[in-house]
Amino acid sequence: EVQILESGGTLLQPGESLRLACVVSGFTFSNSAMSWVRQAPGKGLEWVAAHSRTVESIHYADSVKGRFTISRDNSKNTLYLEMTNLRVEDTAVYYCARRWPAEEFFDHWGQGTPVTVSS
Amino acid sequence: EVVMTQSPATLSVSPGERVALSCRAGQSISNNLAWYQQKPGQAPRLLMWGASTRATGVPARFTGSGSGTDFTLTISGLQPEDSAVYSCQQYNNWPLTFGQGTKVEI
Repeated sequence: EVQILESGGTLLQPGESLRLACVVSGFTFSNSAMSWVRQAPGKGLEWVAAHSRTVESIHYADSVKGRFTISRDNSKNTLYLEMTNLRVEDTAVYYCARRWPAEEFFDHWGQGTPVTVSS
Repeated sequence: EVVMTQSPATLSVSPGERVALSCRAGQSISNNLAWYQQKPGQAPRLLMWGASTRATGVPARFTGSGSGTDFTLTISGLQPEDSAVYSCQQYNNWPLTFGQGTKVEI
């Protein structure tokens, strides 16, 4: 059974930094591309960042480019999202999602971890 | 960026009815469109990909259609458990983009 579990969400102030983690099981993580997708309160889904099986293909949304870094540790079956210079508008539930093989949509999602940025 | 526009924002329907949810892309995305269902407090669930291919375990009452810029998710014989927000996502171009969602109330 595929399991995806995010952690690290918390309450922070603008300008602070945070690292989210996503631990997976039930599939071969090293063979899977992954993404982070977020959802602000009462809003729609927003794709944030994508990491292919290797570092050769990494993409970011313009809204986070230069502030967020996606990375992975295949030995730990873990995907990370390093977030710096956080803004109020980064407040959202952050989901980790597995990409369908060879296509950029998502067949499995975690339950999400909430990040609140407020002064 | 490909803007995805969904309509209507909200639908109130009765059990057993048939509804059609619209998703329009700002430019052609071929058939590179996915639909997701999201219930309150839950993660999104993949319903459809390639515009019209049902994901594993999705009931046959869910049907997807369209290509290019105009897409439709049709739900026939609505069940109470179909109450949810339905979102479309294009994966033809980076950045990946979602519609704002259609809430279906039963």
